[in-house]
Amino acid sequence: QQQVKQSPQSLIVQKGGISIINCAYENTAFDYFPWYQQFPGKGPALLIAIRPDVSEKKEGRFTISFNKSAKQFSLHIMDSQPGDSATYFCAASIRETSGSRLTFGEGTQLTVNP
Amino acid sequence: DSGVTQTPKHLITATGQRVTLRCSPRSGDLSVYWYQQSLDQGLQFLIQYYNGEERAKGNILERFSAQQFPDLHSELNLSSLELGDSALYFCASSDWRGGETQYFGPGTRLLVL
Repeated sequence: QQQVKQSPQSLIVQKGGISIINCAYENTAFDYFPWYQQFPGKGPALLIAIRPDVSEKKEGRFTISFNKSAKQFSLHIMDSQPGDSATYFCAASIRETSGSRLTFGEGTQLTVNP
Repeated sequence: DSGVTQTPKHLITATGQRVTLRCSPRSGDLSVYWYQQSLDQGLQFLIQYYNGEERAKGNILERFSAQQFPDLHSELNLSSLELGDSALYFCASSDWRGGETQYFGPGTRLLVL
């Protein structure tokens, strides 16, 4: 059962544009929502994360918007750059004392054209 | 560099064989997680260890097993390999406070022929 759904599967944006990736979750017990960035041949790397008590979090050009009632969250990349071309994964987890397993979305392959 | 190391980087083997993937977590991290990344299933959680003990299990096949040693490194054992086991296997670690940030290694690419 896919508990985190991500869209779109692929996205092409022009340099300087805004990239938007959306995710929806089912399990209301999730309390941590990270976004990971993965380049070819590399492991996923944490980009930005949010908790459900906050509606928005911004770090540089990256912003997470969170809608608890709709059980949706999204990643906005402002002023997209060719170096942002990568696969992006949303994820969700439930905090436990020894750590939290991540449930990932299907991934979005972002291409930023120069 | 995340500080998590995985060996080997690539592994090519035949169906029916057994392989062992190794992971060294970041210094001080007690939690180790294993994930499988395949084209059709995406990134899926397999199993978690915390300070040597199994803490959570995901969609891990019975042919797969893992352990975490006293020095905190972990091994994932895959046996009776099938073509469908071909995938990227990632190890991640998080700190002792049950921190949610997981740091991923570079992965082991397994190809079963």
